[in-house]
Amino acid sequence: AQSVTQLGSHVSVSEGALVLLRCNYSSSVPPYLFWYVQYPNQGLQLLLKYTSAATLVKGINGFEAEFKKSETSFHLTKPSAHMSDAAEYFCAVSEQKGNTPLVFGKGTRLSVIA
Amino acid sequence: DARVTQTPRHKVTEMGQEVTMRCQPILGHNTVFWYRQTMMQGLELLAYFRNRAPLDDSGMPKDRFSAEMPDATLATLKIQPSEPRDSAVYFCASGGTGSRGNTIYFGEGSWLTVV
Repeated sequence: AQSVTQLGSHVSVSEGALVLLRCNYSSSVPPYLFWYVQYPNQGLQLLLKYTSAATLVKGINGFEAEFKKSETSFHLTKPSAHMSDAAEYFCAVSEQKGNTPLVFGKGTRLSVIA
Repeated sequence: DARVTQTPRHKVTEMGQEVTMRCQPILGHNTVFWYRQTMMQGLELLAYFRNRAPLDDSGMPKDRFSAEMPDATLATLKIQPSEPRDSAVYFCASGGTGSRGNTIYFGEGSWLTVV
């Protein structure tokens, strides 16, 4: 069985500050890991994914995440927050097979303060 | 730009009515997922198909929900009869094979309100 825990349902940062959204996973098999972003009234857009190649993964919009097996973590970071980053962020895990279902965390709402 | 298309985008219906949501996966994708999003439960998998065959529908209330893929370009999710607790956003997603294997693309969702 797989599961994801996102620490903090709401994170607030100042514009220009570091963004850190935490994700810990549990998986009985080697995982693939994903971060998706959801803007209001829209679907989910893939930010980045870990598929067992490089442990540091770079995504769109300046985000990156590092897979740490020893800590079972896949935290999302961005050096400098923009107002446009305000959204809901979801971490997800799947098995290392083609197109198996994603198991999502509860999400973290990011607010960016001017 | 290839995308997953869902209809309707918004639906308000009365309790007891039948609701049908439709999804056109990205052309060439062989795996289709239905997820439901609510404030309380977050994103839950309802069902998924591969090559039009249902692989898992254990997340779906069997008495009132049904999911089908009449052909490779259409997936449907039906609720009959609908209840207020079915109010949620229903997402369809699809995934293909090849160099982008295991990336799952989501539609914009169908916002359902049952009154």
